[in-house]
Amino acid sequence: DQQVKQNSPSLSVQEGRISILNCDYTNSMFDYFLWYKKYPAEGPTFLISISSIKDKNEDGRFTVFLNKSAKHLSLHIVPSQPGDSAVYFCAASAGSGYQLIWGAGTKLIIKP
Amino acid sequence: DTEVTQTPKHLVMGMTNKKSLKCEQHMGHRAMYWYKQKAKKPPELMFVYSYEKLSINESVPSRFSPECPNSSLLNLHLHALQPEDSALYLCASSQEGQAETQYFGPGTRLLVL
Repeated sequence: DQQVKQNSPSLSVQEGRISILNCDYTNSMFDYFLWYKKYPAEGPTFLISISSIKDKNEDGRFTVFLNKSAKHLSLHIVPSQPGDSAVYFCAASAGSGYQLIWGAGTKLIIKP
Repeated sequence: DTEVTQTPKHLVMGMTNKKSLKCEQHMGHRAMYWYKQKAKKPPELMFVYSYEKLSINESVPSRFSPECPNSSLLNLHLHALQPEDSALYLCASSQEGQAETQYFGPGTRLLVL
């Protein structure tokens, strides 16, 4: 049973426009959600996180929105830049511990 | 400093070889992790060390042997690997018991022939 789902394997966006990446989850015990960006053959890079007690967190061009009632979060990138082309993973954790539950990833392609 | 370093960047080994992957962090994190990642898939957790003691072993075959010599270093010893073990091996570290604070290294690209 996939507890974290990223239903779009890929997304193509024009440079300068907004990129919106979506993530759904099923476990109501998750209390932190994270977004990682990954280039080919490199380790994931932490982008932004949000605690379950918040509904929005912003860092520069990146904003994460959390809708707990819908068990849905989204990552907005504005404006999108060519360097944003990468695979984006959504991950979640529950309580104190070591496990991150990962989504399958969404490949973002920024078109010039 | 939020850097996790890994060596080597690339490794090619035969099925009878013995090799080691190394990981280092200087963020004062007391939890360190090994992950395996195949192309286009999320990372799969292999091992977790907490305060230099093995805390989680996700049923990893014994041909992978982790070691944590001190709070900053993590090794993964490899012996008698199979071609299907070829993958990107990632090290990560976090504050104790706080998976949401994980930082990843760049990974070691392993090819088993």
